Amino acid sequence: GQQLNQSPQSMFIQEGEDVSMNCTSSSIFNTWLWYKQDPGEGPVLLIALYKAGELTSNGRLTAQFGITRKDSFLNISASIPSDVGIYFCAGQSGSARQLTFGSGTQLTVLP
Amino acid sequence: NAGVTQTPKFQVLKTGQSMTLQCAQDMNHNSMYWYRQDPGMGLRLIYYSASEGTTDKGEVPNGYNVSRLNKREFSLRLESAAPSQTSVYFCASRTAFASNQPQHFGDGTRLSIL
Repeated sequence: GQQLNQSPQSMFIQEGEDVSMNCTSSSIFNTWLWYKQDPGEGPVLLIALYKAGELTSNGRLTAQFGITRKDSFLNISASIPSDVGIYFCAGQSGSARQLTFGSGTQLTVLP
Repeated sequence: NAGVTQTPKFQVLKTGQSMTLQCAQDMNHNSMYWYRQDPGMGLRLIYYSASEGTTDKGEVPNGYNVSRLNKREFSLRLESAAPSQTSVYFCASRTAFASNQPQHFGDGTRLSIL
């Protein structure tokens, strides 16, 4: 099946720093989604991208849908302690719009 | 504003026992999904229901069965639990099956098989 390569696997950053993570695939997706998962909870949608080249912001978060439709990145600016969690990318494709998930980026924000 | 509700939140089973995980959504969504999440991996699709009355296998269906009881509820059953099924299980729903709209997730059921 399709696979997404998400990097980095983990990040340790100082509060106030900017963060960048990305996902790449050998397959084309028609939608890219970014989710955040807090401990003991389910993934919560952060940003949805529907068009190649699209750049979308949600507060301090910015994500882009790559023009090749095979990649996406997520940036977090001026990180704060509550940004801690696991961030997942997910791509939707096919007539069934099935989701394929990346393996996640574990973000730790140090005070 | 419950969204997707899963029960139970935690469960410990012995090998060979059976169990049904419950999921209900109050968003009037047509499609529902069951995923499992293992350490260091993304979510993998077990089964899905495109609409009330239909179910189909996902990526990892072996050892599981599902029932779409009505539009709101979609249950996942382990007939004879195995240690390899120790995982966190997430239910999700979406407005429509072949839709670009994102899936919304419950908070998960943490299942341990001894």
